[in-house]
Amino acid sequence: EVQLVESGGGLVQTGGSLRLSCVASGFAFNSAMGWVRQAPGKGLEWVSVANGDAGGTYYADSVKGRFTISRDNSKNTLYLQMNSLRADDTAVYYCVKVSWNDFLPTDYWGQGTLATVSS
Amino acid sequence: QSALTQPASVSGSPGQSITISCTGTSSDVGRYDYVSWYQQHPGKTPQLMIYGVSNRPSGVSNRFSGSKSGNTASLTISGLQAEDEADYYCGSYTGNAAIFGTGTKVTVL
Repeated sequence: EVQLVESGGGLVQTGGSLRLSCVASGFAFNSAMGWVRQAPGKGLEWVSVANGDAGGTYYADSVKGRFTISRDNSKNTLYLQMNSLRADDTAVYYCVKVSWNDFLPTDYWGQGTLATVSS
Repeated sequence: QSALTQPASVSGSPGQSITISCTGTSSDVGRYDYVSWYQQHPGKTPQLMIYGVSNRPSGVSNRFSGSKSGNTASLTISGLQAEDEADYYCGSYTGNAAIFGTGTKVTVL
């Protein structure tokens, strides 16, 4: 059974940092992975993707320069380091398996972890 | 990059067909045959319904179909059922990123 389990969300002050983690199981982890977020009551927003060895990484303009995606394939874990956080970064962050052809999520999604940025 | 444009809401009666549009630009939807559609029920995680414009993943009902013309992609739900009531999002590749649509709430009357 495929599982993606996120952790690391929480309440942080404006300008602070959080590191999200996603532990994967049930499939070959050395495939492209990414993060998608959803602000409370709002739509989906694509955040970032990394290829199998994180040699290739891409970001949404809204997070470029502040967020860093990385992975440890020996631990089947994907990370998202979030710095200089702003109120509009408040969202549920989903870990997703993506297609490297189009950077879009496939049918594997985690349950999400909520990051709340408040002053 | 701005989100793809979807109608805020679409409704239909059971058994009817409805179509949700997803309008982008010549830099995303119009340039690549990489459009996906996702269904999200309240409080649930999104589920992939269509990928590559018109391909259905295993297990997705054939009542769901996708197409594209120019800068606009479309999701059609035929034989509308109560369980189809949900939010729907399109997504498109942009060359160096991806973007989602604004989302459409489907109501079954």
